[in-house]
Amino acid sequence: EAQVTQNPRYLITVTGKKLTVTCSQNMNHEYMSWYRQDPGLGLRQIYYSMNVEVTDKGDVPEGYKVSRKEKRNFPLILESPSPNQTSLYFCASSLRRFGETQYFGPGTRLLVL
Amino acid sequence: AQKVTQAQTEISVVEKEDVTLDCVYETRDTTYYLFWYKQPPSGELVFLIRRNSFDEQNEISGRYSWNFQKSTSSFNFTITASQVVDSAVYFCALSEALTGGGNKLTFGTGTQLKVEL
Repeated sequence: EAQVTQNPRYLITVTGKKLTVTCSQNMNHEYMSWYRQDPGLGLRQIYYSMNVEVTDKGDVPEGYKVSRKEKRNFPLILESPSPNQTSLYFCASSLRRFGETQYFGPGTRLLVL
Repeated sequence: AQKVTQAQTEISVVEKEDVTLDCVYETRDTTYYLFWYKQPPSGELVFLIRRNSFDEQNEISGRYSWNFQKSTSSFNFTITASQVVDSAVYFCALSEALTGGGNKLTFGTGTQLKVEL
């Protein structure tokens, strides 16, 4: 089954404790992104990747890091989480750069205390 | 910069009523793509439709229909004979090819639809 998976689905952590949210897709997609969803703001792009080892900042990259060492994986790293990073996070992938449907993972709910 | 506006924050209807969710977009691109996604209470994002800027034909899929009008920069979504299972947050989004080589969806803030018995 074609899908985007994320882990963990739910996470409660404390300020400053490094964490990684994994994302994996099995559709051989070139393009991957991370978004965060906050009430009243919709979804906003954090980082994106065009291929292995090629990543760039989205609209709200502060406090996040990403890597793309393999085509299928695109982990999101919070090196020192803060309460304002409490949010619902989505990973997405698409085959081509423009106009393709982006397929989303199931989401990761993060609470930073 | 691109922008998507969903002015309706929350809509409540009684089952079997028809309901229209509004979406207005802004872009300078001549070629663009618009999307609708559904987010049920479980939280995942479910793709509903993709429409490109060259295709202004209305789309119908079962109880769902979409009205795309370039003249008013709108891409509205209508649910006919709504059902409780339609209760969800609905997002309209606009696709953008980024100058850095990637891509992005610009989302509206979503419309919470509540369908009651």
